Amino acid sequence: DAGVIQSPRHEVTEMGQEVTLRCKPISGHNSLFWYRQTMMRGLELLIYFNNNVPIDDSGMPEDRFSAKMPNASFSTLKIQPSEPRDSAVYFCASSTDISNQPQHFGDGTRLSIL
Amino acid sequence: QKEVEQDPGPLSVPEGAIVSLNCTYSNSAFQYFMWYRQYSRKGPELLMYTYSSGNKEDGRFTAQVDKSSKYISLFIRDSQPSDSATYLCAMNGNTPLVFGKGTRLSVIA
Repeated sequence: DAGVIQSPRHEVTEMGQEVTLRCKPISGHNSLFWYRQTMMRGLELLIYFNNNVPIDDSGMPEDRFSAKMPNASFSTLKIQPSEPRDSAVYFCASSTDISNQPQHFGDGTRLSIL
Repeated sequence: QKEVEQDPGPLSVPEGAIVSLNCTYSNSAFQYFMWYRQYSRKGPELLMYTYSSGNKEDGRFTAQVDKSSKYISLFIRDSQPSDSATYLCAMNGNTPLVFGKGTRLSVIA
């Protein structure tokens, strides 16, 4: 069975550029989560969706960050404009429920903003 | 106080040792407890999943939950170099998962 698929795996871009991260959740999972991981802060939940609807985006650090889920098999996280402090690994995870069920993670996008 | 506290390590043990990894938490509403293993440059993968208090064993891995003390543990028996990774605890109760920061483990051959 295919797991959560994220692209690109690595992204290096210059400050001020728009960055788009992509995620395909596991088929049949109706909850999707975006995380950011850094050494200092660990895994931070940015936003999560249930049945393609954003439920809580209180973890999104600034208005420069936005996320969409146009259908059950695709989600994007966009940063515009990007800044060096956005450099981190971004993970997407999916689950059969928002809570009380395990989440399954992709292998992440390693983002470097120069 | 953070909701979930986990010693970041690093923890270094010889091959064959018993490893004990721990987390404490403050939210008494948490009912589901998980351990994830994360290898370098990979996403976290689910290792153990338990509900409420008690023990669960899976091969060389044992997860323990003590809700009265708000304390969970993961034991690894006969540790192997392939167990070298970061271990993250996670838990929830009608909320999305809350993660510890992870403990980095190195098993030396």
